[in-house]
Amino acid sequence: SAVISQKPSRDICQRGTSLTIQCQVDSQVTMMFWYRQQPGQSLTLIATANQGSEATYESGFVIDKFPISRPNLTFSTLTVSNMSPEDSSIYLCSVDLAGTTDTQYFGPGTRLTVL
Amino acid sequence: GENVEQHPSTLSVQEGDSAVIKCTYSDSASNYFPWYKQELGKRPQLIIDIRSNVGEKKDQRIAVTLNKTAKHFSLHITETQPEDSAVYFCAASRYSSASKIIFGSGTRLSIRP
Repeated sequence: SAVISQKPSRDICQRGTSLTIQCQVDSQVTMMFWYRQQPGQSLTLIATANQGSEATYESGFVIDKFPISRPNLTFSTLTVSNMSPEDSSIYLCSVDLAGTTDTQYFGPGTRLTVL
Repeated sequence: GENVEQHPSTLSVQEGDSAVIKCTYSDSASNYFPWYKQELGKRPQLIIDIRSNVGEKKDQRIAVTLNKTAKHFSLHITETQPEDSAVYFCAASRYSSASKIIFGSGTRLSIRP
């Protein structure tokens, strides 16, 4: 497996502002993903973070609202832009270990509250 | 589109009894089925997975069965213990380098002492 960390672990933000969440892995990974988990709900894939190219977004999620960077094989960021209270959620990154299976391992998550 | 349905949404069992959670999937090309356990305030943790070339897999007190014809799979936990209390998510994906996982809606399992 891999050690996956996220920063910040939690934050409280004002509406209209933006927050950037970082995901760091201790080894190179092929795939990195960003999920949203609203309170009491399941996990919804926001996008696949592609190294060296633009992220691939799922239906209902757009780059202007959730810009993603993936500068290398161990790091990615997700920005939640122009936040509203509806963006209050847990945001999790996950990784698919390079050269192994398609098993995904999750980071600890970032709990975001928007006032 | 792809969909994974999970039942029940909540389950309460007596400690020591068995618990069964069931899922169905819509994409017949799905061939990888992981199960995740999420304790309160924690990240989802993979507890067991199964691929389409096998029908059953066991790991101590947990087992997963897969029926590809019916497109359903189940998680079985035997001799339940208090630490089994959590939310369990089933998921399905097609194996590939760009695979994405579709999650079920989750089952909140409570173990009664």
